Amino acid sequence: LAKTTQPISMDSYEGQEVNITCSHNNIATNDYITWYQQFPSQGPRFIIQGYKTKVTNEVASLFIPADRKSSTLSLPRVSLSDTAVYYCLVGSGSARQLTFGSGTQLTVLP
Amino acid sequence: NAGVTQTPKFQVLKTGQSMTLQCAQDMNHNSMYWYRQDPGMGLRLIYYSASEGTTDKGEVPNGYNVSRLNKREFSLRLESAAPSQTSVYFCASSEARGAGELFFGEGSRLTVL
Repeated sequence: LAKTTQPISMDSYEGQEVNITCSHNNIATNDYITWYQQFPSQGPRFIIQGYKTKVTNEVASLFIPADRKSSTLSLPRVSLSDTAVYYCLVGSGSARQLTFGSGTQLTVLP
Repeated sequence: NAGVTQTPKFQVLKTGQSMTLQCAQDMNHNSMYWYRQDPGMGLRLIYYSASEGTTDKGEVPNGYNVSRLNKREFSLRLESAAPSQTSVYFCASSEARGAGELFFGEGSRLTVL
């Protein structure tokens, strides 16, 4: 199972773009990269998933270089409500194989 | 549009007591999961059920039992609660195949004294 490494915490200011990078050096050919967001006292919520290059949805973009050994979650123009823990997961075949690490605590400051 | 519903949301137990956490999903998902989350840590998989009638151990199954009652419901039972089981428990569901999206409940906060 691919192990992921993320920064423990990041600070940003409202209106800025935030990029959170996840390292997954032993990612397998069939693995997808998935990001979740968790607010205090809530369950994690799916943000975005990708396999290669770039994926964009209404809340975030996911950049994956050609070697797929890392990925970057990009949150445009963050607000205070984006303060949360962000988890990077790598896996395929079954959600049971996904491992949640400690995640990245993003704090958005006014 | 309830999604994944967990009960109870809060529970305090004494060491040695038993209890069952209930989980139900209304998205017709085949797979369901129980996780626990301890302070400052990510979620760890306790048990999962790939489909109705099947259950398998996850990363930290000791001290727990599960029942997949039907396609909608997946319960987690603590037969003899221990202080080390103080945690927040999350139930989740997903489609059976692929690294698809996990849908989580709001969590159940359990304290064992």
